[in-house]
Amino acid sequence: DTAVSQTPKYLVTQMGNDKSIKCEQNLGHDTMYWYKQDSKKFLKIMFSYNNKELIINETVPNRFSPKSPDKAHLNLHINSLELGDSAVYFCASSSHSSGGRNTGELFFGEGSRLTVL
Amino acid sequence: GQNIDQPTEMTATEGAIVQINCTYQTSGFNGLFWYQQHAGEAPTFLSYNVLDGLEEKGRFSSFLSRSKGYSYLLLKELQMKDSASYLCAVVDSNYQLIWGAGTKLIIKP
Repeated sequence: DTAVSQTPKYLVTQMGNDKSIKCEQNLGHDTMYWYKQDSKKFLKIMFSYNNKELIINETVPNRFSPKSPDKAHLNLHINSLELGDSAVYFCASSSHSSGGRNTGELFFGEGSRLTVL
Repeated sequence: GQNIDQPTEMTATEGAIVQINCTYQTSGFNGLFWYQQHAGEAPTFLSYNVLDGLEEKGRFSSFLSRSKGYSYLLLKELQMKDSASYLCAVVDSNYQLIWGAGTKLIIKP
């Protein structure tokens, strides 16, 4: 069984559209994250979500919004997509954290490659 | 600012040994991770160091020197499947992960 799963794996869309990426983890972890990996391969934290506490990277545009229906799910919604949003988006989870602070190993989903045309 | 430096790319021969270095300047230190990422796949955990010294795990070892802000990942008996990017990440004083850009390792027969 996949530990951290995200869908869709590939997403191609037009500028200005709104899209969502879903993430689910079956590891019983308390903290989930969204990362963006651009063409230069840097992994940049976008959000971490722990026990209903959301920590936002202040550099993330407010067009990006995480939604967590329960602690096993953290979805990413993106409004008014721009060309620069093209990247691979990784969901991850960890068990060892406090107040969104990471102290343990991250388990990553397979990534969702978003292409904005 | 916070910074993680790793070589962009390295090449090694199958069966040989390679050392991938990582130097960091961060606001505080609460551990250092190494992850492996094959092309088109997710990063997977390799090692975690929080105390100085060498941690060995099979063919892979990771070393840390906190006073020097330095770590390395040592890969022995290289196999073709070890071709991947290796990411160094440091946990800072706020328990945020700061990632390096990764080192792309190319293994040649």
